[in-house]
Parts: sequence; C-alpha cells; structure tokens
Amino acid sequence: GAVVSQHPSRVICKSGTSVKIECRSLDFQATTMFWYRQFPKQSLMLMATSNEGSKATYEQGVEKDKFLINHASLTLSTLTVTSAHPEDSSFYICSASSPNSNQPQHFGDGTRLSIL
Amino acid sequence: KQEVTQIPAALSVPEGENLVLNCSFTDSAIYNLQWFRQDPGKGLTSLLLIQSSQREQTSGRLNASLDKSSGRSTLYIAASQPGDSATYLCAVNQGGSEKLVFGKGTKLTVNP
Repeated sequence: GAVVSQHPSRVICKSGTSVKIECRSLDFQATTMFWYRQFPKQSLMLMATSNEGSKATYEQGVEKDKFLINHASLTLSTLTVTSAHPEDSSFYICSASSPNSNQPQHFGDGTRLSIL
Repeated sequence: KQEVTQIPAALSVPEGENLVLNCSFTDSAIYNLQWFRQDPGKGLTSLLLIQSSQREQTSGRLNASLDKSSGRSTLYIAASQPGDSATYLCAVNQGGSEKLVFGKGTKLTVNP
C-alpha cells in the first residue's frame, strides 16, 4: 500500500529557531500533499494544501510567512516553521493523495514539535 | 461550512463488549466519509472508507454505516479488545475537493 514518511518524529528546540519537517511519499507520486496541525484533545485542522510546482494554498487564519511550504518534487513536501515560539508547539501531520488508491489520503506518522 | 461532531468524546468499556461510535456532519454534500484510528502520539490509520453512494462498509470486527441524508455515520466495533483502545476519528471529504474535515474524535478505552 501507499506509504508516507514524515521526518523528524520529534523536535525539541529553543524559541526563535526555525524547524523544517519533511513529508515523503515513498512508493507513489503525490501531486498534492496536505499539512495538518493537531492540538491536545483537538481534531486535525488543515493548515495548507501543498501543490507540486506551485504555491501552497493556505487555510484561513494560517500565516503564510510563518509556515513556509515547499513542494519541489512529486514525492517531497516540506513545512518550515519559522522563528518558532511556544504557541507553535503542536503535533504536525502530513498526508498525500494517491490517485491510484481507493483511499483519498495517506498519512504520515506526525511530528511532535515542542518549543521551549 | 462543514462541521463534524463525534459523540461521545470518550468511552470506556469492558473487554468483549460491542460498542457504537457516532459521527454527524452538517453538510450532506459529501463525496465520502472515513473512519480513522489514532494511537497516542502517532499518525492516522484508515479503517473504513464509505463512498457517498454506499450505506455501509465492513472490515473484520468493524462496521461503518452512512446515512448521508441525515448527516450521520456510526462505527460499530464488535467484541472489543484492549488493543482497540485508541482515538477514533471521523472525517468527511466534500464533493469537488480533496480536503478532509475531521471531528474531534472519540477516545476509546477497552479494559481487560
């Protein structure tokens, strides 16, 4: 089945640091990837839709300059949290669309980001 | 705007019990509905996918139903086991969009 790999799984860093999270589709090409954020006891909230070769589409209320998304190839999308602060601490999950699958999206294992 | 609600927020049952998790959505114009399982600190595992034209899907001890007109879905788990303990998320996919809208989930605990 389609596999999505997300790296790193856990990040702990100081306030002001920029953090890059990678999302890779391992055995399929994904023209579209999605980035979600999940706060404790809350649902997954879509942050942005990442489109290969074009600019990401951000959901309302998500700062484009804060959360930089790059989808440079059909198998890789990156999310960079710039100048992270404690309020950015959250669980970030990516997913990828597989056009040849009966499942709309395949999810990575998530990245736990903790900003001190 | 689509909103997905899951009831109950948490459920604790003894091993062996059959149980039902509920999901409701406000906009019935959905393309499909999915049930996911999420273990603590982990990503999502897809359990069942129901297309808008379908009424139910079954996989092992799991059965998911969909009543699109009333905006409801249920996930039935038969003969629950401690290994079923996890958070179960319901998500709908709107027609014409790949976006998924999630509920907050039901945290299930199956006690041995």
